[in-house]
Amino acid sequence: GAGVSQSPSNKVTEKGKDVELRCDPISGHTALYWYRQSLGQGLEFLIYFQGNSAPDKSGLPSDRFSAERTGGSVSTLTIQRTQQEDSAVYLCASSLGFGTGVGGSYEQYFGPGTRLTVT
Amino acid sequence: QQPVQSPQAVILREGEDAVINCSSSKALYSVHWYRQKHGEAPVFLMILLKGGEQKGHEKISASFNEKKQQSSLYLTASQLSYSGTYFCGTERANPAGTALIFGKGTTLSVSS
Repeated sequence: GAGVSQSPSNKVTEKGKDVELRCDPISGHTALYWYRQSLGQGLEFLIYFQGNSAPDKSGLPSDRFSAERTGGSVSTLTIQRTQQEDSAVYLCASSLGFGTGVGGSYEQYFGPGTRLTVT
Repeated sequence: QQPVQSPQAVILREGEDAVINCSSSKALYSVHWYRQKHGEAPVFLMILLKGGEQKGHEKISASFNEKKQQSSLYLTASQLSYSGTYFCGTERANPAGTALIFGKGTTLSVSS
């Protein structure tokens, strides 16, 4: 595709409900990242995938958050039992690779984000 | 572990210069710079690698002092289009294979 796409663009949910956020990376990009951005805050790292595996889940805020990636392409971030503090913009990014042995020295291409509001 | 950016905000007139700094307490392999305009996704500007290799952006330059674990982004002769929030992302040297950690950002406002 032309770029990273995310859906939905906006999601309003009631506290306690589960939500799924979807990310379609650029075709051929093996690495995929999820970030969270609260109002006026920086980019908070959540998780990344290399292929279908997630070597680093250290950024997930709690066990209510999970993510998966299938077929080395689409990824889904799931938040269970949403809380008001989960309200934020969730950004997905992809990159061509993840620098063998030394980490992510590839530029990341970001999607437009999903704005999640928990009422 | 999150890098510290300074200043938090900069206000400029067109044509003026600015420097944005990013520092880390950890040994770094690379520093990435991104710019985010209001309501848009962050866009890649530059990567600076340990050893001095730099992948750049037109009219914007940067430096990476590996010993001090610091990077600076130089915006010269600023244009209105430079307005936005600038984020640095740092990649640790050890352990290898870690993801980028971004700073809280520096907001740059350029007026005519």
